[in-house]
Amino acid sequence: EIVLTQSPATLSLSPGERATLSCTASQSVGSYLAWYQQKPGQAPRLLIYDASNRATGIPARFSGSGSGTDFTLTISSLEPEDFAVYYCQQRSDPLTFGGGTKVEI
Amino acid sequence: EVQLLESGGGLVQPGGSLRLSCAASGFTFDRYAMSWVRQAPGKGLEWVSSISGGSTTTSYADSVKGRFTVSRDNSKNRLYLQMNSLRAEDAAIYYCAKGIYQLPKAYYFDYWGQGTLATVSS
Repeated sequence: EIVLTQSPATLSLSPGERATLSCTASQSVGSYLAWYQQKPGQAPRLLIYDASNRATGIPARFSGSGSGTDFTLTISSLEPEDFAVYYCQQRSDPLTFGGGTKVEI
Repeated sequence: EVQLLESGGGLVQPGGSLRLSCAASGFTFDRYAMSWVRQAPGKGLEWVSSISGGSTTTSYADSVKGRFTVSRDNSKNRLYLQMNSLRAEDAAIYYCAKGIYQLPKAYYFDYWGQGTLATVSS
């Protein structure tokens, strides 16, 4: 099983600032990594798949990069609605998620 | 518009059973793999099970293998999860999720339901 480690656990930032979230895999996943956003009381929402492809309707301020074992989700300028928990996920069997990064004000 | 609506959650004693259901609409259901993902209260996401569009392939997390069974009825656009021998650690919100590609495996999830809560307690 591939273990995904996300850092930091919590990121404290202000609106307008840049957010950089990391996800490290225990072994190479190629470019097969996704990012999700989850707000309290809501289901997760797909942001990025295959490391750098934005999902339908996702604003351009969200971008993903990386390959192999090290991946980054960048939010170029935080909007108030971006404060949430973010999860990475790899697609090899069994599918696994990282533990999450909370982006707080 | 894609919609996924789960039902069937509730309170059950350890060792008991629950059958979750997910009603899907807004897409060609039988062309997509579907999955169940759960989230224990205050915790992260855990993939539980997936099933291909034609039900030929199923897969399970080790934590539920032998106790849970995933199935689907494409004539009714419904996904199911039969959960037996439930344990306290199975308590979670269970989400139904749609695979992103028209492929037998789910890979990633582009639409999620709002979830149904399963509580396992005596």
